Amino acid sequence: AQSVSQHNHHVILSEAASLELGCNYSYGGTVNLFWYVQYPGQHLQLLLKYFSGDPLVKGIKGFEAEFIKSKFSFNLRKPSVQWSDTAEYFCAGAEGQGFSFIFGKGTRLLVKP
Amino acid sequence: NAGVTQTPKFRILKIGQSMTLQCAQDMNHNYMYWYRQDPGMGLKLIYYSVGAGITDKGEVPNGYNVSRSTTEDFPLRLELAAPSQTSVYFCASSYAGQGISFFGSGTRLTVV
Repeated sequence: AQSVSQHNHHVILSEAASLELGCNYSYGGTVNLFWYVQYPGQHLQLLLKYFSGDPLVKGIKGFEAEFIKSKFSFNLRKPSVQWSDTAEYFCAGAEGQGFSFIFGKGTRLLVKP
Repeated sequence: NAGVTQTPKFRILKIGQSMTLQCAQDMNHNYMYWYRQDPGMGLKLIYYSVGAGITDKGEVPNGYNVSRSTTEDFPLRLELAAPSQTSVYFCASSYAGQGISFFGSGTRLTVV
């Protein structure tokens, strides 16, 4: 069955620390992968997406993610986090041209000033 | 401003009442979606639509209905509200095959 799993439910970091949030997917065919961010009390915003091509994808706000097909992973990274990155982060996948997105359960990131 | 507009932002319903959550987009997106978000559970797809007049069930459709009479509008109806429908509801839209880039601001619904 198709699935998207996020390893960490809660992450606490100090400002300037490096961030890596794990995401693994299980799809049978071509998969498109996404990372979204949800700031407290707000709606989801798209950070970045991978459809094909260069497996290292750069998004907004200094985030990037790497698609590693052999590991079925699409981890989100940021070299140096800021207090304003405190939010919940969701990985999502969709098969091919499909519309049925599957979201992971989310990772709550708290960045301490 | 272009985007997805949801109303209302908050609502409290009594068990058995009905209501319609409104969703409109002005980007001429053909795909529209309704999700519910529960703490620690991520987002679950309720219904989606790939164009006017076409709707289909998602992962958790029971207790909900939708219609898509125009490209712009995709209302979600709760006929007999139950406490299990207490959640935050998000509408979203996209072009076909492009991934969801636009979410509405959400409706926080409480059923008591």
